[in-house]
Amino acid sequence: DTEVTQTPKHLVMGMTNKKSLKCEQHMGHRAMYWYKQKAKKPPELMFVYSYEKLSINESVPSRFSPECPNSSLLNLHLHALQPEDSALYLCASSQDGRSGDTQYFGPGTRLTVL
Amino acid sequence: GENVEQHPSTLSVQEGDSAVIKCTYSDSASNYFPWYKQELGKRPQLIIDIRSNVGEKKDQRIAVTLNKTAKHFSLHITETQPEDSAVYFCAASATGFQKLVFGTGTRLLVSP
Repeated sequence: DTEVTQTPKHLVMGMTNKKSLKCEQHMGHRAMYWYKQKAKKPPELMFVYSYEKLSINESVPSRFSPECPNSSLLNLHLHALQPEDSALYLCASSQDGRSGDTQYFGPGTRLTVL
Repeated sequence: GENVEQHPSTLSVQEGDSAVIKCTYSDSASNYFPWYKQELGKRPQLIIDIRSNVGEKKDQRIAVTLNKTAKHFSLHITETQPEDSAVYFCAASATGFQKLVFGTGTRLLVSP
């Protein structure tokens, strides 16, 4: 399996809702990433997990809470989001997170916050 | 931190022409430079990458060149086809850092 999968594909939520985005890979990769991509903009890094430990948090608001239950799974828990958080959320994985690792992206979850 | 600039923002070519997209980076410690293609509504997909110990790399119709002294790298697509139409992002990362910094993207349109 050479793909990163993400669920759900689309998500609409209100500002008081709690929801979670899920990402899975079975390539044996030990680094996983969350990116946020607004329309017509490049992906922006949010979090990096390396060997199931959070190694980078790009000063993301606490309403976004990442979790890495095991080396194949990555979750992003969402709570009390704002309309400006509406975006495409991309998950990626790479061999072990060293510079020069190829990052493979999932198809993304398109999030709309009402 | 690293800053990556990308030009042009849009590029229109006729099928069969060549296309060139240019990026400059600010951090001299950066040593890995991938290029991603993102079709509308799809995931970014790696099309080619280059490391700082190499000046040029080619894969069929796609080539990337790197000038470390000037801190710029370029994507060259020859014999363009309509299916090459997409947004292309360059990126850079430095040794010891897991962070990829992306350029602002180039929308390439190849007309039949």
